[in-house]
Amino acid sequence: GAVVSQHPSWVICKSGTSVKIECRSLDFQATTMFWYRQFPKQSLMLMATSNEGSKATYEQGVEKDKFLINHASLTLSTLTVTSAHPEDSSFYICSAAGTGFSYEQYFGPGTRLTVT
Amino acid sequence: ELKVEQNPLFLSMQEGKNYTIYCNYSTTSDRLYWYRQDPGKSLESLFVLLSNGAVKQEGRLMASLDTKARLSTLHITAAVHDLSATYFCAVFVNSGGSNYKLTFGKGTLLTVNP
Repeated sequence: GAVVSQHPSWVICKSGTSVKIECRSLDFQATTMFWYRQFPKQSLMLMATSNEGSKATYEQGVEKDKFLINHASLTLSTLTVTSAHPEDSSFYICSAAGTGFSYEQYFGPGTRLTVT
Repeated sequence: ELKVEQNPLFLSMQEGKNYTIYCNYSTTSDRLYWYRQDPGKSLESLFVLLSNGAVKQEGRLMASLDTKARLSTLHITAAVHDLSATYFCAVFVNSGGSNYKLTFGKGTLLTVNP
């Protein structure tokens, strides 16, 4: 149980375009979802936290207009990278937490974004 | 701001040897996680430590938590090549209600050599 999927697993896009990444909880209702970014050989940095039906809470230094997060249902959150640039190339990982899981976060497999 | 310091950042071990990875953090927390990450992959949960003095073991890995010292350790016993990976500790902070998050250490890249 507690499986989280991400789609796509990898994506290449051209500079200036937007790309959407989906995060789904497959077998539980995720009241809270988290989006992380990980640059090569670095740690995970929390970008934002989203609760279903509410606006996302962004960490300091993360541009909310550039990284649009939508958590419209209890099983789906999306991250849209708008007007992507090469410096946005990274590994994006989502995690999901549900009620009754004692704050446990279940991590998705990640999405590798390359902006050319 | 919460600081989570892991050391060492790089660890090269011989098979069969023992070693410990340390995770220090700067604020009060009673919950700490250890994760493993293989190259190109996401995180695999290893341990969640929920209270002071908690100790958990799985195979050759054993994790402990001292909340008073704000220190967790991940001990590797008789390392084998399959343990080669990056290990992260993550500290849980709850600001109330649904306002909680994990802050990760920088990770320890473990290489186990034959």
